Amino acid sequence: AQSVTQPDIHITVSEGASLELRCNYSYGATPYLFWYVQSPGQGLQLLLKYFSGDTLVQGIKGFEAEFKRSQSSFNLRKPSVHWSDAAEYFCAVGGGGGNKLTFGTGTQLKVEL
Amino acid sequence: DTEVTQTPKHLVMGMTNKKSLKCEQHMGHRAMYWYKQKAKKPPELMFVYSYEKLSINESVPSRFSPECPNSSLLNLHLHALQPEDSALYLCASSQEADFKGFAYEQYFGPGTRLTVT
Repeated sequence: AQSVTQPDIHITVSEGASLELRCNYSYGATPYLFWYVQSPGQGLQLLLKYFSGDTLVQGIKGFEAEFKRSQSSFNLRKPSVHWSDAAEYFCAVGGGGGNKLTFGTGTQLKVEL
Repeated sequence: DTEVTQTPKHLVMGMTNKKSLKCEQHMGHRAMYWYKQKAKKPPELMFVYSYEKLSINESVPSRFSPECPNSSLLNLHLHALQPEDSALYLCASSQEADFKGFAYEQYFGPGTRLTVT
């Protein structure tokens, strides 16, 4: 069975600082990996995805993520955080029958001005 | 355009009411989904429709009744709900819903905030 772990429930960074959100997955085959962001009371917005190929993927809003098979990780990074990045971030693995997504528990990002 | 729309944005209903949530997408996607999300939790899958047919029901109580009138529309009919059903209900769509292990990215709507009194 596939699973996703996001070890950090809350992270606080200063505006302009770099950011790394951790994600570890468990999946038998090559995983399909996603990062979504959710602002309060809103739906989920897809930031980026990894299916195959280059292990460093670029997404929207200046985010990137690196797939590391040896560490079963897909960490999300941003070199300089903006106050508007404050939100909940979900890592997810797909490929379950019916295009099911398995989500991590999420990381709440707070940005200090 | 990667937009999924949902109406209404907010809904308050009593336990004896009947109401419906609506979802629409115009991306030509052939798979649509309903999720339930409680505060501070990830979304939980409820139903998957593939080519307008219900393909997955995650053991959802019968007081939730999904309907897919056509490839662009998805409804969720609500009847005799309980206070614990209060949550954010999210609709999503994807190009397909593969059953052979491939994945397609899902696009989510803004959700309907449901309160059951």
